[in-house]
Amino acid sequence: DSGVTQTPKHLITATGQRVTLRCSPRSGDLSVYWYQQSLDQGLQFLIQYYNGEERAKGNILERFSAQQFPDLHSELNLSSLELGDSALYFCASSVADRGIYNEQFFGPGTRLTVL
Amino acid sequence: AQTVTQSQPEMSVQEAETVTLSCTYDTSESNYYLFWYKQPPSRQMILVIRQEAYKQQNATENRFSVNFQKAAKSFSLKISDSQLGDTAMYFCAFMTPMNYGGATNKLIFGTGTLLAVQP
Repeated sequence: DSGVTQTPKHLITATGQRVTLRCSPRSGDLSVYWYQQSLDQGLQFLIQYYNGEERAKGNILERFSAQQFPDLHSELNLSSLELGDSALYFCASSVADRGIYNEQFFGPGTRLTVL
Repeated sequence: AQTVTQSQPEMSVQEAETVTLSCTYDTSESNYYLFWYKQPPSRQMILVIRQEAYKQQNATENRFSVNFQKAAKSFSLKISDSQLGDTAMYFCAFMTPMNYGGATNKLIFGTGTLLAVQP
């Protein structure tokens, strides 16, 4: 158990819908990362938050958005869902002090299926 | 932009044998980290081993070791005495540590190598 929790474990929805994925980082971790694992795109970085602020963006679609709340949990919002959004969405967290190594601990992932 | 390439989509090894998974990367950074992650059928991402670019010595973790060739930008994983539990997808990954200049700790992954350990 990495200490990172993600809910829900599985999500099945229809095209055009909107869903919210939730992540709780390890206690004391300030940074949260979202990754998408799909057959087409492989494992790719979506977005990072550090202590409530957006730190970096990767290949995140405009239909997707995220935020990190004061208690440091994060939510990834996916809207106008398409079949191609079906994927495993990972959240990872790290302490994220600048300039030193920070291991990222991965949650178990949320499996999203868009029908 | 940094890229990570794994040229072996699938590999197979007999139990107790040794196998080497290949990875190459491209970067202009001087300070970075390289990783091998294991993803078993449970889909959990598990860190296997880490290598700091500034360290010449190759990292070792029990049966797992790496061959880090910085000039060649090569980072291979050797698994000795392979066990059935090693069956998994293995991802090579790259990271530059977060700093004030903009690097962000994001992981860049290769496409993975599916390793099957045969009894």
